[in-house]
Amino acid sequence: GDSVTQMEGPVTLSEEAFLTINCTYTATGYPSLFWYVQYPGEGLQLLLKATKADDKGSNKGFEATYRKETTSFHLEKGSVQVSDSAVYFCALSESGNQFYFGTGTSLTVIP
Amino acid sequence: DTAVSQTPKYLVTQMGNDKSIKCEQNLGHDTMYWYKQDSKKFLKIMFSYNNKELIINETVPNRFSPKSPDKAHLNLHINSLELGDSAVYFCASSQGWGGPTKQYFGPGTRLTVT
Repeated sequence: GDSVTQMEGPVTLSEEAFLTINCTYTATGYPSLFWYVQYPGEGLQLLLKATKADDKGSNKGFEATYRKETTSFHLEKGSVQVSDSAVYFCALSESGNQFYFGTGTSLTVIP
Repeated sequence: DTAVSQTPKYLVTQMGNDKSIKCEQNLGHDTMYWYKQDSKKFLKIMFSYNNKELIINETVPNRFSPKSPDKAHLNLHINSLELGDSAVYFCASSQGWGGPTKQYFGPGTRLTVT
C-alpha cells in the first residue's frame, strides 16, 4: 500500500543554516506530494506541493522536487530562520481522496 | 496494524441529514484531533481532545459535535448538513500536549453533501 517515510527528528539548526528534511514514499500509481507545516499551537498548513515527476514546489524559501526515480520529495531551505521552528509533515495522495502522512519532523532553529 | 482508522472513507448524503464519522487509534495516544481540509488543501484544526477532555475548539458551527467515549476514540457528529460541509475530514492522534508533537493521521473521510 501507499506510505510515506520521513526522517526522524528532532532537528536543531542555527539560524541561517541549510535545511534538508528527507521524505520518501511508496505508491502504486502516480501520487501528488505535499509538505505541510505545523507551527506551535496551530493546525497543519500546506507549505508546498508537486503533482508530477520533476515538478518543484516552492513557498516561503522552501523547495522540494518530485523525484520519481528515487521516490523522494525532500524539503530544503537555504537559510532557516527562528520563525521556521515547527513540525513538518510529508504527505501523498493518489486520488485526492486518501492522504498518507509521515509522522512529522520537528525543527528547532536557534539564534 | 492500522494506527489511526476512520470510517467511513466516503460519505455522500443530502442536505439536512445528520451523520457521524468515527475515528479510532490503537497507538495508546492521549490526544486526538479533527481537521477539515479545504479546497486549497489547507488543513484547519477543528477540535482536539486530550485525555477525553476538549482542549481546542476552533470556530466551527455548533452543528459539529465531537464525542470521545474513551482515549482511543474521537467521533465527529454533524447535524443538519450543509453544502459547505463538503470536504475531507482527517482524524489524527499524538502523545502529549503543549508542544510540537508527531501526529499520526487517518486516511481521511471524504464527505459530499448534495
